[in-house]
Amino acid sequence: AQSVTQPDIHITVSEGASLELRCNYSYGATPYLFWYVQSPGQGLQLLLKYFSGDTLVQGIKGFEAEFKRSQSSFNLRKPSVHWSDAAEYFCAVGAVEYGNKLVFGAGTILRVKS
Amino acid sequence: DTAVSQTPKYLVTQMGNDKSIKCEQNLGHDTMYWYKQDSKKFLKIMFSYNNKELIINETVPNRFSPKSPDKAHLNLHINSLELGDSAVYFCASSQAYGGRYEQYFGPGTRLTVT
Repeated sequence: AQSVTQPDIHITVSEGASLELRCNYSYGATPYLFWYVQSPGQGLQLLLKYFSGDTLVQGIKGFEAEFKRSQSSFNLRKPSVHWSDAAEYFCAVGAVEYGNKLVFGAGTILRVKS
Repeated sequence: DTAVSQTPKYLVTQMGNDKSIKCEQNLGHDTMYWYKQDSKKFLKIMFSYNNKELIINETVPNRFSPKSPDKAHLNLHINSLELGDSAVYFCASSQAYGGRYEQYFGPGTRLTVT
């Protein structure tokens, strides 16, 4: 069965501090992976994506993520968090073999303290 | 220009009623999806259509009937609404082939059944 785990429900970081949000997946096919961000009452915005190739991918708003096949992980990082980054972050996994449906993690709520 | 749009944004109705949600994308994608986000923010695929053909039909009650008049539109009709149908429904679109599988989401429709 396909599953995505985001172990941290909430994370609080100080503005200017670095951030890492964890994502682990279990998938029976070659996956592609995404991170999405959702602000309260809003839709999902694509932050970054990994299909193949270079395992370190850059996204919008200064985010990056690293795909580690051996650890089945796709962790999201940002070197310096801004107050506007406070939102909920979702990791998602898909595969062509499964009709491109996305399986989402439960989300991590990021709080930024000034 | 809005890439994926949904109407209405909010829908409040009583149990037993029938309602529809409409979705349109102007990205030229060939695949569209419906996802349900429950009160705990968990996102789950419901349906997907590729060029008007139903590709994915997850374990969704028969009261939910998607319709795709063309590849730019995907509507969701719900019969005999129940309290448990209260959720945010997101439409998304992507390409099914060619390696660019990222899904773009609409703003969501918040359905409240009373």
